[in-house]
Amino acid sequence: GQQLNQSPQSMFIQEGEDVSMNCTSSSIFNTWLWYKQDPGEGPVLLIALYKAGELTSNGRLTAQFGITRKDSFLNISASIPSDVGIYFCAGRIQGAQKLVFGQGTRLTINP
Amino acid sequence: DVKVTQSSRYLVKRTGEKVFLECVQDMDHENMFWYRQDPGLGLRLIYFSYDVKMKEKGDIPEGYSVSREKKERFSLILESASTNQTSMYLCASSNDLGYGYTFGSGTRLTVV
Repeated sequence: GQQLNQSPQSMFIQEGEDVSMNCTSSSIFNTWLWYKQDPGEGPVLLIALYKAGELTSNGRLTAQFGITRKDSFLNISASIPSDVGIYFCAGRIQGAQKLVFGQGTRLTINP
Repeated sequence: DVKVTQSSRYLVKRTGEKVFLECVQDMDHENMFWYRQDPGLGLRLIYFSYDVKMKEKGDIPEGYSVSREKKERFSLILESASTNQTSMYLCASSNDLGYGYTFGSGTRLTVV
């Protein structure tokens, strides 16, 4: 099945650093979503984006809906230990019955 | 708070056993989904359902079946468990895909 190309697959950073990750697709999406999965838990929705060019923040997290509608970006500023986890992007194609997910970015933070 | 509840957090089953994974949502959602999650492979869709008694195959349905007799409950069935079905299983539900899915906490299944 279709998957989004999410990168990087993993990141090892120092506490306080900024983080960037992105997702790309060959298809046009009308919704982009970013989820975070804590260890041993299910993914939780962080940010939803609905328009090309849209920039939305949730605390230290900022996500953007790419102008081409084929990509999205997530930035985390001033990382803290509780940011550790797996981040997934997801997209919805017009009329689709289900979301398409990226493979995830595993974030590890050294204190 | 809206909830998707998976009946077990951890399960250990023997090869060849029939295994039932249960998922219940309290949000009156139409759509429900079962995924499995393996390291490096992301979330892979097994089956989904958009209405009671309706089901659709996802990307990896082989070795699995599902049941949706009531709107709030979506069951995943492993007819004859095998070791390659050892995985984390995630259930999700949704009414409007524009708002994404609500996921359960997952069931970590080990088949020995």
